[in-house]
Amino acid sequence: DTGVSQDPRHKITKRGQNVTFRCDPISEHNRLYWYRQTLGQGPEFLTYFQNEAQLEKSRLLSDRFSAERPKGSFSTLEIQRTEQGDSAMYLCASSSGTSGGDTQYFGPGTRLTVL
Amino acid sequence: QQQVKQSPQSLIVQKGGISIINCAYENTAFDYFPWYQQFPGKGPALLIAIRPDVSEKKEGRFTISFNKSAKQFSLHIMDSQPGDSATYFCAAPKRNAGNNRKLIWGLGTSLAVNP
Repeated sequence: DTGVSQDPRHKITKRGQNVTFRCDPISEHNRLYWYRQTLGQGPEFLTYFQNEAQLEKSRLLSDRFSAERPKGSFSTLEIQRTEQGDSAMYLCASSSGTSGGDTQYFGPGTRLTVL
Repeated sequence: QQQVKQSPQSLIVQKGGISIINCAYENTAFDYFPWYQQFPGKGPALLIAIRPDVSEKKEGRFTISFNKSAKQFSLHIMDSQPGDSATYFCAAPKRNAGNNRKLIWGLGTSLAVNP
């Protein structure tokens, strides 16, 4: 299966700790997105990469959040000094970016619980 | 400011019935309208999508109806089955700098199909 994969699937951490999530997009997809989803809500956009360039960051993304996509393939999302309000499902999606490539394919998500 | 308004919030349908979920959008620049299906603990999965140059698209038991003048689109699930019980999201991509096509999501409809 060559779908979007995310690791870990679940993460429980204590407030104040740092966490890092990884996303592997569909191969050859040059666009990669991070979203956050809380219970009962739709996903909210966090940030967007085209190849290795981070082209947009949501105002939801505080200074404690940082994302990278160093080689234009996999991406990492790091949250520093986690807070209980960071508890959510973090979703990664990728798309091809070619003509008609609007479809974003999502990974299974990483569920973060901050105690 | 909700750019994509989805209704109803929840829906209960008997097996074999028709499930109808509606979305209205405000931005006439939206040019692609996907519906995503999400099961608990999973990432959203693309169900069906439509572009505004057609008024209807059907894939199996799933149909999107699109009304450009009213800025509305709806999902119809024919012969609804218990396995269709999930949360359904409508979405639309908003084009930003760098050709970012971040998805703007409705709030979701929780569908329960009774056996």
